[in-house]
Formats: sequence, C-alpha cells, structure tokens
Amino acid sequence: QLVLSQAPSASASQGASVKLTCTLSSGHSTYAIAWHQQQPEKGPRYLMKINSDGSHTKGDGIPDRFSGSSSGAERYLTISSLQSEDEADYYCQTWGTGFAVFGGGTQLTVL
Amino acid sequence: EVQLLESGGGWVQPGGSLRLSCAASGFTFKAYAMSWVRQSPGKGLEWVSGISGSGGSTYYADSLRGRCAISRDNSKNTLFLQMNSLRPEDTAVYFCAKDEVHSPPTFLDHWGQGILVTVSS
Repeated sequence: QLVLSQAPSASASQGASVKLTCTLSSGHSTYAIAWHQQQPEKGPRYLMKINSDGSHTKGDGIPDRFSGSSSGAERYLTISSLQSEDEADYYCQTWGTGFAVFGGGTQLTVL
Repeated sequence: EVQLLESGGGWVQPGGSLRLSCAASGFTFKAYAMSWVRQSPGKGLEWVSGISGSGGSTYYADSLRGRCAISRDNSKNTLFLQMNSLRPEDTAVYFCAKDEVHSPPTFLDHWGQGILVTVSS
C-alpha cells in the first residue's frame, strides 16, 4: 500500500535551516514526490517535485532558500534562512495507479 | 499567470447534492489533467478525484467513489465536481488543482484558493 509518512511537527529558529522528511512506504522507494506549502488560511502552493535520484524541479517563483534531496525511500525539503512567512503546513504528495496520495503534513513553527 | 477559481460551494443538507465549478485561465486548459482535493476542518489534504486533459479518463478516491462525478468542459476552460448523497463528513474546503501533465494525473503544480462545502441539517 502506497503511504507517505511525515512527522506531525517541526520547529526551528528564524534565520536557521530546517529539513523536513517524507518517507515512502515499502516497495515504493523509487517514486517521485511533490512538496506543497500551505500557509494559515490559504490554499496550498506547489514548491517542487523531487525524483528518487534527488533531482528536483521547483514551481514558479519558489526562492532558492527551498531545496530538495532524496535518500532511499526518503524525500527531503530543506528550507534555509528561515523567515516568519515559512511558518506553514508542508505536505508531500505522489501518485499511485489511479489515485493520488498525500502525507499527513508537517506543521512548521518558526521560533 | 495560472488562475483557478472555484465556485458552487455552500451549505447543503445530508443526502443533498452540489456541483462545484473551477474556472481556469492562464494556460492551455485541455493540455493538462486536473484534480479536486479537499481539506476537512483542522485536517490534512485529501485527494478526491482527477481527470485527464481530454476528459476521457477519470479517477476517484474510495471515500467518494459512486457519489461524485468529475468532468470538464474544455471549450469553457472549466472543471466540475458533481457530488451526490452528501454526508456530514464531506464538509470541507474543496480545492481545484492543475496537474503538470495531460494524463494520467501525477503532480499538482497550481492550486485554487478553495471553496467551502458544509453538509449539515
């Protein structure tokens, strides 16, 4: 069964870096995933797609502070030079055979 | 600039029906698959349904399968979601989203702002 797992919460100080993780379920380690950001009371925003080899393509206007990487079944989103507006929920997403799947989301707090 | 604007939400009684629309602009609508995604109050994102660019292939989540129908009018750049036999647990903000490819749906690269659907007596 295709499942994406995310930690429910994360926190880091303004100006620091944070690395969020999305883990693919067993047997699905080669899948690409996408990261989406949802700021409070807003619709989601596509950040980037990350392939199993770590290559990634960003969405329109996504700052260089956002980057992606991959290791095995894990896909990462790294945000550097954290700003207050980065405080948001972050969801990973992929596609199975005939259906899309979202991770449970990670709520990022910027201290 | 890609723009997606949902409409048609509101309050409906359990067992009722609702048709959501999503007006798209800023891209060649027929060239891309589209999806509906919902978010219940205080919860995460849940994919509901997807449709290929031509409209010839449709996909549904188990939670709404048999109770909803996705369609599109490529001449009017509009996506639809017809929802029937609605239940209180269908209460959510419904988002329209554009895919990065024609078919099948894969990754959602643009989102609308969402429309609230409330199912309550």
